[in-house]
This record gives sequence, structure tokens and C-alpha cells, in this order.
Amino acid sequence: AQKITQTQPGMFVQEKEAVTLDCTYDTSDQSYGLFWYKQPSSGEMIFLIYQGSYDEQNATEGRYSLNFQKARKSANLVISASQLGDSAMYFCAMRSGGYQKVTFGTGTKLQVIP
Amino acid sequence: ETGVTQTPRHLVMGMTNKKSLKCEQHLGHNAMYWYKQSAKKPLELMFVYSLEERVENNSVPSRFSPECPNSSHLFLHLHTLQPEDSALYLCASSQAPGPGDSPLHFGNGTRLTVT
Repeated sequence: AQKITQTQPGMFVQEKEAVTLDCTYDTSDQSYGLFWYKQPSSGEMIFLIYQGSYDEQNATEGRYSLNFQKARKSANLVISASQLGDSAMYFCAMRSGGYQKVTFGTGTKLQVIP
Repeated sequence: ETGVTQTPRHLVMGMTNKKSLKCEQHLGHNAMYWYKQSAKKPLELMFVYSLEERVENNSVPSRFSPECPNSSHLFLHLHTLQPEDSALYLCASSQAPGPGDSPLHFGNGTRLTVT
């Protein structure tokens, strides 16, 4: 069965500092995709970044990068130069075993301190 | 309009009421999803429609009934709900079947309260 684990219920980071949000996953599939989403208090889930299981390089999107360690089954999100607007819930998700099977973690609440 | 639009944003209903949630996507995707988000729980996939085929989570109670008249519109019909059904209901779309990098695009959600 597919499973996503996010062990940090809440995190604080100083504005302009970098922060790492942890995500580990479990799947028996060889081909899978890993996603990170941001959910502000407004409720919308915003797609941030994607990493495919066969991608050799870590994905980057602006201030977001995904630290993919396949052997350890981890896909941590790194946010550089944190901004106040980064305060939100962050969810790690995995697609495996079929395109419609996207499994989400329980999320990490990030608060950026001025 | 662009993206995924959900209406209403908020809904309060009694246990004997019948209501519907609406979702519309303007992204040209061919798959649409309903997710339930309860406090301190992972998002729960309820239903998927793709290429006119429905895939559902067998644990979803029959008081939730989806309808997908075309690839751009998705409804969730609600009847005789229970207080534990109070949650944020999120609609999403994606391109499927497709490459791995086909993320779900979500709407703003409907905050449902059952009294």
C-alpha cells in the first residue's frame, strides 16, 4: 500500500531563512511521482513542485527545491529565503499504482516569523 | 475564468436536506476528482472520473453521489448527511492518463457544515 509520512505537524522559520519540510514515502512501485502542495488559510491547494521517480536531478521551481533521496524514500521540500506569505499548510503527495491514486500526507503547518 | 472553480464556498445543511456541490474546470483536463479534507487527517479520495469512467473509494457512504455530465463539470450530490461529514470538500482536475508530471489542480473548496 502507498503511504506518505510527514512527521512535523508544525514548523517555525525566521523570515529570509531557509526551511526544510520532511516527507517520507512507501510504495512498491518502480514508477511514481512525488508532489508538494501549499494550502493557505483560504483553502485552495496550490501545486508547488514535482519529482519523478526516474528523474536523476532534484527538481527546482524558483525558491522551492525537492531533496529527493530515492534509497531513503524521502522527498523533502526546501524553501529558500522564506517570506511571510509562505505561512501555510504544506502537503506531500505521491502518485503510484495508477494515475488516479494520489496519496497525501497529513501536512506540516509552516509559520514564518518576521 | 481559469483554473478550477467550486461553488458554493460555504454550505450549512441539516441532516435531512439535499444539496449539491458544483465544480467546473477550465484547464482542458480529462479527469476530475472529489477529495474530502477533515481536520488532522490526510486528504481522502472519494471519487475519480476519467475518460467517462468512474473510479470510487469503496469506503465512501452512499449518501454521497457524484455526477460528471462532461469532462468540465463535476457535481457531488448530498443527502441525509451526518455531522461527521462536516469537512472541506475539494475538487481537482488533471490530465489522465498522462505522464507522471500531471499534477492535480484544485479548486478553493466547499466548507460543509452539517447540523
